[in-house]
Amino acid sequence: TQLLEQSPQFLSIQEGENLTVYCNSSSVFSSLQWYRQEPGEGPVLLVTVVTGGEVKKLKRLTFQFGDARKDSSLHITAAQPGDTGLYLCAGEGAGNMLTFGGGTRLMVKP
Amino acid sequence: GAVVSQHPSWVICKSGTSVKIECRSLDFQATTMFWYRQFPKQSLMLMATSNEGSKATYEQGVEKDKFLINHASLTLSTLTVTSAHPEDSSFYICSARESIPQYFGPGTRLLVL
Repeated sequence: TQLLEQSPQFLSIQEGENLTVYCNSSSVFSSLQWYRQEPGEGPVLLVTVVTGGEVKKLKRLTFQFGDARKDSSLHITAAQPGDTGLYLCAGEGAGNMLTFGGGTRLMVKP
Repeated sequence: GAVVSQHPSWVICKSGTSVKIECRSLDFQATTMFWYRQFPKQSLMLMATSNEGSKATYEQGVEKDKFLINHASLTLSTLTVTSAHPEDSSFYICSARESIPQYFGPGTRLLVL
């Protein structure tokens, strides 16, 4: 069974601050996705990373896939209240199965 | 990105009744569909995986006779919660994929009275 540890579980910051969310595993993933979920809605895909060492940017969000494809990070620069939500990482392993991290609940206060 | 729809978005039913939830991929053919359950403030828990035309593969601890899954076509999967009880109340989310990544539906909130 593949496990994906996500940290921190909760994060409450002021508008304008930077933050980083981490996902770590001892397993290798063929790809890793980051999703954002708002209350009462399904997760919305933010990015997919496939190559070890890959870095992708989405406006103020920077995603990195570890060289060994076992870990990933999401960095948000100058967080805004609209960034508030549940962030989920999910690694794709054997059989195309997704292993989800436990989620990071982010609250950005104005 | 690709669009996955779910219907209904909300359902309230009496204990003992059965509830069917539909999941559709609107602009792609989903070779595989997944059903998840999510409890408040928690991550997603995979219930089962279904491939079109095949029987679903259920995760350990998920009763296949209680949660009936049908993947009749490349764009439609259904989850039927049979003889629902209050403990089945939850947020059910489907996802679909043709290749990477998986795209998720908006979820169905089930409340069993």
